[in-house]
Amino acid sequence: QVQLQESGPGLVKPSDTLSLTCAVSGDSISSPKWWGWIRQPPGKGLEWIGHIYYSGSTYDNTSLKSRVTMSVDTSKNQISLKLTSVTALDTAVYYCARVVVLPAARIHYMDVWGKGTTVTVSS
Amino acid sequence: SYVVTQPPSVALAPGQTARITCGGNNIANRRVHWYQQRPGQAPVVVIYKDKDRPSGIPERFSGSNSGNTATLTISRVEAGDEADYYCQVWDSGRDHVVFGGGTTLTVL
Repeated sequence: QVQLQESGPGLVKPSDTLSLTCAVSGDSISSPKWWGWIRQPPGKGLEWIGHIYYSGSTYDNTSLKSRVTMSVDTSKNQISLKLTSVTALDTAVYYCARVVVLPAARIHYMDVWGKGTTVTVSS
Repeated sequence: SYVVTQPPSVALAPGQTARITCGGNNIANRRVHWYQQRPGQAPVVVIYKDKDRPSGIPERFSGSNSGNTATLTISRVEAGDEADYYCQVWDSGRDHVVFGGGTTLTVL
């Protein structure tokens, strides 16, 4: 059974960098799979951040692209997210997910989700 | 950019059939995926590729996609189906995942 577990600081100061990790169990990061990040501000809908292939290729939300860095750590079987220059608008529950990608069919969807981690941006 | 639109809420009595729509320009040309998010929980995919159901999802959940509207149908709704439901597509023009705004299903 594949499980994903997000972790990171629950409180980040404005203008700082938000750093999260997602530990994967029951599957190998190194297998040809995609892994993604999605966030949900309080009381609002889902916002896609991006997803990353085990080789390092990415698809990115252009509205966040300049502030987002995603990476894969095969030795720890985990992925990471860094979001720079955060503001209160970045306050959200952050989810990691396994992403099914079938490029020729233009199919991208999340088949396994972590439980999410709450990040609050406040001084 | 491609936009998908969902009704904010749907309410009905137990045993009735819920139809949650996801509207978009020629959405039938795209594959639509649906997620259920119960209060305080992470989303779970209930329908993928318009109409396929993951193992463990009841047969009461079904999907269709035609013209400008994709539909998630939940037959014989139960109290446990109360949740937010999101549709999602891939915008190949921008290489972006696009989520609908979500529909809150209330079982009266």
